[in-house]
Amino acid sequence: SQQGEEDPQALSIQEGENATMNCSYKTSINNLQWYRQNSGRGLVHLILIRSNEREKHSGRLRVTLDTSKKSSSLLITASRAADTASYFCAHSSGTYKYIFGTGTRLKVLA
Amino acid sequence: EPEVTQTPSHQVTQMGQEVILRCVPISNHLYFYWYRQILGQKVEFLVSFYNNEISEKSEIFDDQFSVERPDGSNFTLKIRSTKLEDSAMYFCASMKSGGADTQYFGPGTRLTVL
Repeated sequence: SQQGEEDPQALSIQEGENATMNCSYKTSINNLQWYRQNSGRGLVHLILIRSNEREKHSGRLRVTLDTSKKSSSLLITASRAADTASYFCAHSSGTYKYIFGTGTRLKVLA
Repeated sequence: EPEVTQTPSHQVTQMGQEVILRCVPISNHLYFYWYRQILGQKVEFLVSFYNNEISEKSEIFDDQFSVERPDGSNFTLKIRSTKLEDSAMYFCASMKSGGADTQYFGPGTRLTVL
């Protein structure tokens, strides 16, 4: 299976704390993207990281990519209640479709 | 900022009926996709479309499914004879070019098959 796996499956933290989510995949990749999904809603693109990149930042988000370990992580710093959502990684490898991970459900408590 | 739009937001249909889900991708994008997400599960790839033809499809995308770009702006997914298990959120996505590019998703159509 090409499916990505994410851990933890669920994460509950206090507002102001940092949240780290991890994603692993099984094949070589062209790039990897992180998306956020609020309950029952659409997928919002967060960050794209290319296979030759190791780290990218966007505001309070930091994504790392370790192609030797076939893994990526998403760090949300100084979390807010509005960050409560599910977070998915999705990777493409050789074709243009994206394979999504199983997702991490993040809950930020006020 | 340009965005992918989808209609309807919610479609309820009887088993065996045909449904057409509609999408308007971002205007200068060339690659188009449909994905689905069964409630509480992961997002699954259905089909990709480029240069007016299917470039890749998954095992889910069987003969009951078809896609079409009838004009320069719309991209549709047709399910010929819906089954209960087709109930899911269907997402359209578009991408400007191939390679390492961002895939933008629409808000989804929730399909409920009764």
